[in-house]
Amino acid sequence: QKEVEQNSGPLSVPEGAIASLNCTYSDRGSQSFFWYRQYSGKSPELIMFIYSNGDKEDGRFTAQLNKASQYVSLLIRDSQPSDSATYLCAVKGDGNNRKLIWGLGTSLAVNP
Amino acid sequence: DAGITQSPRYKITETGRQVTLMCHQTWSHSYMFWYRQDLGHGLRLIYYSAAADITDKGEVPDGYVVSRSKTENFPLTLESATRSQTSVYFCASNRLEGPQETQYFGPGTRLLVL
Repeated sequence: QKEVEQNSGPLSVPEGAIASLNCTYSDRGSQSFFWYRQYSGKSPELIMFIYSNGDKEDGRFTAQLNKASQYVSLLIRDSQPSDSATYLCAVKGDGNNRKLIWGLGTSLAVNP
Repeated sequence: DAGITQSPRYKITETGRQVTLMCHQTWSHSYMFWYRQDLGHGLRLIYYSAAADITDKGEVPDGYVVSRSKTENFPLTLESATRSQTSVYFCASNRLEGPQETQYFGPGTRLLVL
């Protein structure tokens, strides 16, 4: 059974701090990794994807991937109250499989 | 760019009734997906489709039927609704961004089965 695990939280950080969200996955053959943000009552929206080891930066967001440790993280710098949401980690397997394996999400609260 | 639309956005029905949830995408994406999202279970894949007339089961297909006669439409039917099918249903499609396919979601349908 392929699994994606996330700490459910809630993770609480003060405004302006760095929020660090973590995700581990069980399938060593996984190729692509995605972070989605989901506000309460809304649909998931894609923030970033990463498929190479190392860091990928986009504005205040940095995704980090370590395939040897089967670990992917999302850093949010200068956290804002508007970042308060649930963050979902999703993993795509190898080959032609288009399906994603989803974590249950981490709830983030940014306190003013 | 309308993207993915779902209808209805909210639906209340009774046990035993047939319900169809509609999903329409304007991008002509090949792959489409139906998920349900429940507290404690996260997103679970019900069915997916690689192209018109090609569909396959996901993780939780029992009680659901799909069809895909046109690329842009992917309706989900609950043949005889049960209370356990009360959930939020999301449709998604795969979009190519550079070298990577990414999934984009519709706004969701909130279904309550009484």
